[in-house]
Amino acid sequence: GAVVSQHPSRVICKSGTSVKIECRSLDFQATTMFWYRQFPKQSLMLMATSNEGSKATYEQGVEKDKFLINHASLTLSTLTVTSAHPEDSSFYICSAERSSGHVSYNEQFFGPGTRLTVL
Amino acid sequence: KQEVTQIPAALSVPEGENLVLNCSFTDSAIYNLQWFRQDPGKGLTSLLLIQSSQREQTSGRLNASLDKSSGRSTLYIAASQPGDSATYLCASKGEGSGGSNYKLTFGKGTLLTVNP
Repeated sequence: GAVVSQHPSRVICKSGTSVKIECRSLDFQATTMFWYRQFPKQSLMLMATSNEGSKATYEQGVEKDKFLINHASLTLSTLTVTSAHPEDSSFYICSAERSSGHVSYNEQFFGPGTRLTVL
Repeated sequence: KQEVTQIPAALSVPEGENLVLNCSFTDSAIYNLQWFRQDPGKGLTSLLLIQSSQREQTSGRLNASLDKSSGRSTLYIAASQPGDSATYLCASKGEGSGGSNYKLTFGKGTLLTVNP
C-alpha cells in the first residue's frame, strides 16, 4: 500500500508554454500533498503544501502565480508551471501524506518524480 | 531555520562491509526523522521513520538511531550489497514556515556505492 504516482514522468516543452504535472495517491486518501523541486546533486526543496479544498501554502521565494497548485480531491493534486523558462528545468517530486492521527506519525509517500526540460 | 547535514557526501565500500551514514540537524524540536533511499532519476523510498520519542528503528539490515538532544541520527547498514548502491537522504519533520504547519527538511544525501 501507500503508492503515489506522478504523470508525466518526463516532459520537454518550449519556453513560454505551461506544463501540468499530476500527483495521485493510488490506495489512500491524502488531505495534504507536498511539491518539491530537486536540482542535480542537491537536496529536495519544499515548494508548497497542497491542502484538499483550500489554497496551497507556498514556501518563501516560490512564486504562487508561477507555480499553480490545485488539490481538487483527496487523491489528486496538480502543479502547473506557467510560462515556463529554461531556469524552471528541474526534477519535480510530489508526496502525499497518509494520516495516522497525529502529525508525528503521519508519513509522506513520494511519487517517482517528473523531469521537466524547458527549451 | 532547520538545517540538515549529511556526512559523508559520498562513500564507496566493498560488498559485505558494514557502514554508517551520518545526519545532523540544528533544531532539535522535531516531530520525527526519516531516512530515504533515492535511485538515480527516481523518487524517494522511505526506509525508516523514527519518532522524536524513540531512540532507534530497525528494518532488516538497516538500523537507524536518533539522539535528539545532540541533533544526530545515524543509519547503519549491515552486510552491504551492490543493490544497496543509491543516494540516502535523511529528513527531519518540524514546524513549517510560510503558512505550512510542518515540513520535511532534507539533507543533501550520501551517495553510496557498494562494489562487488
